[in-house]
Amino acid sequence: DTGVSQDPRHKITKRGQNVTFRCDPISEHNRLYWYRQTLGQGPEFLTYFQNEAQLEKSRLLSDRFSAERPKGSFSTLEIQRTEQGDSAMYLCASSLAQTGELFFGEGSRLTVL
Amino acid sequence: AQKVTQAQTEISVVEKEDVTLDCVYETRDTTYYLFWYKQPPSGELVFLIRRNSFDEQNEISGRYSWNFQKSTSSFNFTITASQVVDSAVYFCALSNGQGAQKLVFGQGTRLTINP
Repeated sequence: DTGVSQDPRHKITKRGQNVTFRCDPISEHNRLYWYRQTLGQGPEFLTYFQNEAQLEKSRLLSDRFSAERPKGSFSTLEIQRTEQGDSAMYLCASSLAQTGELFFGEGSRLTVL
Repeated sequence: AQKVTQAQTEISVVEKEDVTLDCVYETRDTTYYLFWYKQPPSGELVFLIRRNSFDEQNEISGRYSWNFQKSTSSFNFTITASQVVDSAVYFCALSNGQGAQKLVFGQGTRLTINP
């Protein structure tokens, strides 16, 4: 499968724990995006990378959230001290800067108890 | 600020009926892009179309067609002769023309096609 892959697909954690999600983009794509989708809502932009550089972060991304893309390939999104309000689907997408079409993964669903 | 409104939360039709999903957007940018994505139960958003603000030509792709009208800030999506496999949540989205694909999504329309 050469699409965007995300891991884990589902994570259940207790409030206060840290969680980390991984995204592997389509190999030749230089841009990688993280979005968050809560139930019944459209996805909301969190952050994006061009190669290894994080170029923009949404105000939705509090200090408890950190995203990295160390070698310009896969990316991780870590949430520290999780809260129940963090429960959502975390979507990763990748694209070529020139074309603009985003390819999304199937998402990582987080449930904070 | 950019905003996308999909006023129809849920639509249910019988197979083979035509159905139109509405999308109204707000932006102050003169250059922008409009998108439609499909989200089946698996959760993966599937790209359907991208249209830039300078191209108001309507587009048809098989049973799908899109009507872009800048005068009413609308980008509506019609499925002709709907099929059960079309059942999904459909999102309209907007981005500015500055390179990054930071999409602003609407709330989505849940479409159910009944056999």
